[in-house]
Amino acid sequence: KAGVTQTPRYLIKTRGQQVTLSCSPISGHRSVSWYQQTPGQGLQFLFEYFSETQRNKGNFPGRFSGRQFSNSRSEMNVSTLELGDSALYLCASSPPRGVDEQFFGPGTRLTVL
Amino acid sequence: QKEVEQDPGPLSVPEGAIVSLNCTYSNSAFQYFMWYRQYSRKGPELLMYTYSSGNKEDGRFTAQVDKSSKYISLFIRDSQPSDSATYLCAMSGGGSNYKLTFGKGTLLTVNP
Repeated sequence: KAGVTQTPRYLIKTRGQQVTLSCSPISGHRSVSWYQQTPGQGLQFLFEYFSETQRNKGNFPGRFSGRQFSNSRSEMNVSTLELGDSALYLCASSPPRGVDEQFFGPGTRLTVL
Repeated sequence: QKEVEQDPGPLSVPEGAIVSLNCTYSNSAFQYFMWYRQYSRKGPELLMYTYSSGNKEDGRFTAQVDKSSKYISLFIRDSQPSDSATYLCAMSGGGSNYKLTFGKGTLLTVNP
């Protein structure tokens, strides 16, 4: 079974721009979560989607948003990029039996200049 | 006080050593406990997933949870150079709380 895939793998943007990252979960997984990983803060939860509905949200500003499609694929968007948004953005999907059991993709490394 | 504390290391051991990695937590609502391994420039890989106190073994890996002390451990027996990675503990509250709270990770190097 194919794992979680994320595109693009690398991205360079400038301050003020916006960016959209994509995630395809493992087949059969309907829950998708997003995390931001930085050296200083580690892995921090952004939000979680199930059946196209956001069920939980972390403590990030409104510039960070996401959505999920009917095929469970998910996108996250960051508007008005800041230097501090440079990070590895990770997507994880969960099987129907246990949302806490999360399988991660390789991540998208975003650099904001 | 952070919800999850993990010694960042780095930890360096010779090949074949037993490795002990630990996390403490403050939120008594946590019910599910996980260990992830993350190689450089890769996403975290789920190693162990446990619920409730006790031990769980999988090959060379043993996860231990002590809810009364709010303390979890991961033991790696017969460590190999391929085990060199960052190890992250994670936990969640179950129920309608779908987020994982992670420790900062411990960088482990196993020297041949």
